Amino acid sequence: EVQLVEFGGGLAQTGRSLRLSCAASGVIFDNYAMHWVRQAPGKGLEWVSGIYWDSRTMGYADSVKGRFTISRDNRKQTLYLQMNSLRHEDTALYYCAKGRRADGAGGFDSWGQGTLVTVSS
Amino acid sequence: SYVLTQPPSVSVAPGETARMSCGGNNIASKDVHWYQQRPGQAPVLVVFADSDRPSGIPERFSGSNSGNTATLTISRVEAGDEADYYCHVWDNSGAHQVFGGGTKLTVL
Repeated sequence: EVQLVEFGGGLAQTGRSLRLSCAASGVIFDNYAMHWVRQAPGKGLEWVSGIYWDSRTMGYADSVKGRFTISRDNRKQTLYLQMNSLRHEDTALYYCAKGRRADGAGGFDSWGQGTLVTVSS
Repeated sequence: SYVLTQPPSVSVAPGETARMSCGGNNIASKDVHWYQQRPGQAPVLVVFADSDRPSGIPERFSGSNSGNTATLTISRVEAGDEADYYCHVWDNSGAHQVFGGGTKLTVL
């Protein structure tokens, strides 16, 4: 059974940084693309960023481009999201999600339980 | 960027059929995926690639995609189907993923 566990959320001041991690188990991690999806309180899902299996392709939502950086360590089976220059609107529950394929196709078939990021001045 | 449009809410009586739409420009040219999210829980993939079901998802869940509209259909709706449902596509220009705004399914 695939398990994804997110770490690193918490309270941060506007303009500061946080680094999220997602540890994967029960899966051959380097066979699949991985993604971060967030959900602001009472709102819908918003894709944040994704990285293909070999780290050669990354994508970012316009709302985070230039501020967030996604990366992965296939040996550690861990996904990361470095979040810089945080804004109030980045406040959300951040989910780690596993792609069904090595590239961006196929949908997301496993999700973590999320880690909450709260940005406040 | 690509936009997916979902109605905010759909209501249906138990045992009836619920149909939830997802509109997008020429969406038929893309694979559409659907997720169920119950309150306080993480999303669950219920349909991928327009009409395929992951293992463990009941046959009552089905999908279709044509023209500018994709549809998730839930037959013989049960109280436990009450949830938010999101459609999703891969916009492979720029390696982006796009979610619809979600539809809240209420079982009367």
